[in-house]
Amino acid sequence: SQTIHQWPATLVQPVGSPLSLECTVEGTSNPNLYWYRQAAGRGLQLLFYSVGIGQISSEVPQNLSASRPQDRQFILSSKKLLLSDSGFYLCAWGGRLASYEQYFGPGTRLTVT
Amino acid sequence: QKEVEQNSGPLSVPEGAIASLNCTYSDRGSQSFFWYRQYSGKSPELIMFIYSNGDKEDGRFTAQLNKASQYVSLLIRDSQPSDSATYLCAVFPGGSYIPTFGRGTSLIVHP
Repeated sequence: SQTIHQWPATLVQPVGSPLSLECTVEGTSNPNLYWYRQAAGRGLQLLFYSVGIGQISSEVPQNLSASRPQDRQFILSSKKLLLSDSGFYLCAWGGRLASYEQYFGPGTRLTVT
Repeated sequence: QKEVEQNSGPLSVPEGAIASLNCTYSDRGSQSFFWYRQYSGKSPELIMFIYSNGDKEDGRFTAQLNKASQYVSLLIRDSQPSDSATYLCAVFPGGSYIPTFGRGTSLIVHP
């Protein structure tokens, strides 16, 4: 069965510090991978998605970036965090064939102080 | 602009009742429809998906899809306090791997 991991689970970082969040998927190959952010009391915002190694599409212009160095690894980064970057960051994987459903990892709660 | 609308609630129902959650979408070409349950502080969990018009049942959950009217609903029978959560509707346009999520409906099941 497929499993998706995210770490760290929680993170408190000062404004202007860098960020690196990691997501890995087990039990499937060549998945579509997604990064979402959910701000307090708000809906899910798609940040990045990837259909293959090195292929990243950005949905929202901001100070975040994403990379996919391996088939089942997705990394979200920032060089300098802003207060507005606080939120619940969710990684998800999805199938490529007739099945479109997405499965979410446990999430990283980021607080920028 | 593809939109998915959900009543934010909270929807409050007594234990044992049927909870009815609704979702409307704007893209008539949408093909796949999903319901996620999200407990406070946790990540969304996929509970139902539906692709064709009509009803799909899984245990206490029934998803209903009406493409002509562009709505999808989730019925929860015999609601339990453990069903108290936010329910997110997600819609995939035809041929796209990029979903649009609604903002969710908060459900409260009181004993």
